[in-house]
Amino acid sequence: DAKTTQPTSMDCAEGRAANLPCNHSTISGNEYVYWYRQIHSQGPQYIIHGLKNNETNEMASLIITEDRKSSTLILPHATLRDTAVYYCIVLMNRDDKIIFGKGTRLHILP
Amino acid sequence: DTAVSQTPKYLVTQMGNDKSIKCEQNLGHDTMYWYKQDSKKFLKIMFSYNNKELIINETVPNRFSPKSPDKAHLNLHINSLELGDSAVYFCASSQAGYQETQYFGPGTRLLVL
Repeated sequence: DAKTTQPTSMDCAEGRAANLPCNHSTISGNEYVYWYRQIHSQGPQYIIHGLKNNETNEMASLIITEDRKSSTLILPHATLRDTAVYYCIVLMNRDDKIIFGKGTRLHILP
Repeated sequence: DTAVSQTPKYLVTQMGNDKSIKCEQNLGHDTMYWYKQDSKKFLKIMFSYNNKELIINETVPNRFSPKSPDKAHLNLHINSLELGDSAVYFCASSQAGYQETQYFGPGTRLLVL
């Protein structure tokens, strides 16, 4: 049901940048790309979202391709606390439903 | 000063019982949600309330009944619990609709025996 495709898992060395890809080839012009993460035994946590421009906040950067069919979440300096499942979600409009897919399980290696 | 809180955190009960999970948000948000995360970790929307009114009701058995006494609270009551109801239930809230950032509670782990 999810409109996005993500790798099942990824590893990243502590201190390095973690780049998490997401494909959303059927995205339409008014759909936003959202990223959430879920650390073990906790509720999902919002990270960042964007429409077509690249975005950056204190947690991460979001790079959206010009055709908007894919995006990359970048955690610039990954720490062990960034180990989590990362969900990429597209939302069409105000009344659309969030559908969380399987996400990417990111392992940060010491 | 937890933004979205749920009680209880853990709930173990027998089949056929009726139980409730409470959710409160102190963010002043207008919209609240209930999600179910199953054993395969899929997170699915169950209900959404905006200003105490139901706006989304997914294909959920009618044994599940949400109740919103005010816009800061959205409780989930489950009748005649079944084994398949075992899951983690998350409450969330947002300022308005889905395009707003959602803030999730810590989850309630329900185990039906």
